[in-house]
Amino acid sequence: AQTVTQSQPEMSVQEAETVTLSCTYDTSESDYYLFWYKQPPSRQMILVIRQEAYKQQNATENRFSVNFQKAAKSFSLKISDSQLGDAAMYFCAYRATSGTYKYIFGTGTRLKVLA
Amino acid sequence: DAGITQSPRHKVTETGTPVTLRCHQTENHRYMYWYRQDPGHGLRLIHYSYGVKDTDKGEVSDGYSVSRSKTEDFLLTLESATSSQTSVYFCAISDVAGERGETQYFGPGTRLLVL
Repeated sequence: AQTVTQSQPEMSVQEAETVTLSCTYDTSESDYYLFWYKQPPSRQMILVIRQEAYKQQNATENRFSVNFQKAAKSFSLKISDSQLGDAAMYFCAYRATSGTYKYIFGTGTRLKVLA
Repeated sequence: DAGITQSPRHKVTETGTPVTLRCHQTENHRYMYWYRQDPGHGLRLIHYSYGVKDTDKGEVSDGYSVSRSKTEDFLLTLESATSSQTSVYFCAISDVAGERGETQYFGPGTRLLVL
């Protein structure tokens, strides 16, 4: 069965600095999607970035980028120029491209941004 | 933002009573999901639907049932609420793959307290 692991329950970063959140996953599939979601105190789940496994190029969205290492089954999120509004829970998620339409989520990393 | 609403947004109920949560979407997406979120567990799938009247169990389905009689509505019922079902419940939607359809979008959540 597929699993997603976020080994950092909590992290802190100074405002304007860069931070990297880790995510590893386990799957026997060759094609799949990976996602990072942000959950601020409002509880709304917001898509940050998505990656298609067949694409070797790492996805980027403004200050957010990923380091996708398919062989290592690693999908880390880098936040550059951290802002106070980046403080939130961050969840990594996986979905295979075929078969089940289930999504597997990690347990989350709480990011604190220090002024 | 994807058009997903959940009702009610907050509910307090007593042990042993039935509770129904409603998810409504205006996106005409095929797939709908119910998750619960608890500290330390991330998001756990309760049930999901892959079409009208087509549903399947997730990893924590005991004590829950679902129904989908229309594309836009997905109901979650706690048949006899227990204190262990106190949680935040999220509805989510996704569509067929391609054109970002495989991305999952979330409703605002329902906070349920079972006394």
